[in-house]
Amino acid sequence: EDKVVQSPLSLVVHEGDTVTLNCSYEVTNFRSLLWYKQEKKAPTFLFMLTSSGIEKKSGRLSSILDKKELFSILNITATQTGDSAIYLCAVSLNTFSARFGAGTRLTVKP
Amino acid sequence: NAGVTQTPKFQVLKTGQSMTLQCAQDMNHNSMYWYRQDPGMGLRLIYYSASEGTTDKGEVPNGYNVSRLNKREFSLRLESAAPSQTSVYFCASRGAGETQYFGPGTRLLVL
Repeated sequence: EDKVVQSPLSLVVHEGDTVTLNCSYEVTNFRSLLWYKQEKKAPTFLFMLTSSGIEKKSGRLSSILDKKELFSILNITATQTGDSAIYLCAVSLNTFSARFGAGTRLTVKP
Repeated sequence: NAGVTQTPKFQVLKTGQSMTLQCAQDMNHNSMYWYRQDPGMGLRLIYYSASEGTTDKGEVPNGYNVSRLNKREFSLRLESAAPSQTSVYFCASRGAGETQYFGPGTRLLVL
């Protein structure tokens, strides 16, 4: 059975801290790994990773994939209260479907 | 350009009632999806439609039916709602790339 496991499930930090969110997977067919941010409503796309060792970066957020060890991390540096959200990891299994993890709920306190 | 829209935003049903959740996208995407999101469970795929005229079961299809009415619209029907179907339902669409674009969600409460 295809599995995507995120850790931690919940995290509380203070503004300015750096956080690392983890996503490990065990799937029969891997196409890509995607990170989404979910604030109040719909998840919105952050990154797509397909190759090991290549860091994707957008401002204070960065992510990297390790296809040998079957995991990805999402780093957020100098966190702000606006980073508070649920971060979802998804593995694209084929052309049409993806398996999502349970998400990490990040709370950034002022 | 509205992206993915869903109606209604919120619904309360009694056990045994039926309802249809509507979803439409204006991005000319081929693939569309219905997910449910429950606390601690992440997003679980109910049904998807790879293209107009086709639908397939996802992880948790029991108790649901879908219709891909045309390329734009993909509806989810609960024939006889149960309290276990209380959840937040998201519709999504996907074009040629891997990224899915999500609607704002429908919060459903079944009493």
